[in-house]
Amino acid sequence: GEDVEQSLFLSVREGDSSVINCTYTDSSSTYLYWYKQEPGAGLQLLTYIFSNMDMKQDQRLTVLLNKKDKHLSLRIADTQTGDSAIYFCAESQGTGGGNKLTFGTGTQLKVEL
Amino acid sequence: GAVVSQHPSWVICKSGTSVKIECRSLDFQATTMFWYRQFPKQSLMLMATSNEGSKATYEQGVEKDKFLINHASLTLSTLTVTSAHPEDSSFYICSAGRTVDQPQHFGDGTRLSIL
Repeated sequence: GEDVEQSLFLSVREGDSSVINCTYTDSSSTYLYWYKQEPGAGLQLLTYIFSNMDMKQDQRLTVLLNKKDKHLSLRIADTQTGDSAIYFCAESQGTGGGNKLTFGTGTQLKVEL
Repeated sequence: GAVVSQHPSWVICKSGTSVKIECRSLDFQATTMFWYRQFPKQSLMLMATSNEGSKATYEQGVEKDKFLINHASLTLSTLTVTSAHPEDSSFYICSAGRTVDQPQHFGDGTRLSIL
């Protein structure tokens, strides 16, 4: 089955850039996503990328996809204390929102002053 | 944007009670709804996929008689935890999606505590 892996923890200083990495095993993944989860809350979709794209930028967020290596990253520029949360990458197959997601293990981002 | 409402947000009840959780898509019709379970400091585990008007598809290891899912309309799916026990205590999250576009939209989750 699909397997999605992330490093467990990342600590950065406020104002620095954060890079959260994700690797997946399923080469038929169509969409790849990044979600943010704050304590006790649900999931907030940050951004997603179609598998035929290499990069997507949205304000402070940059997603890079290396399909050959099955590696996805999320870069957060000018990281703020409000960015402290758990970040999940996820993948799905197919082109519609009716396809199930496989989530990574989650990376806890801690932003220090 | 699309909004998914999940209710209740937190429930505490005694062992043996059945608990119903609702997931509603407020401003769109969801062809598919998903139910996830999350243990503390862990990732989301898909429990089942629910399509309107048909039986839910459960993931391996999930007891369908324990976790009853009903998807009676394009805007509402319910998850009932029957005869809940302390080991059923968890954070349950639903999501809703449409086949025609991306992405899925998530509810805010329900924290279930069984005493």
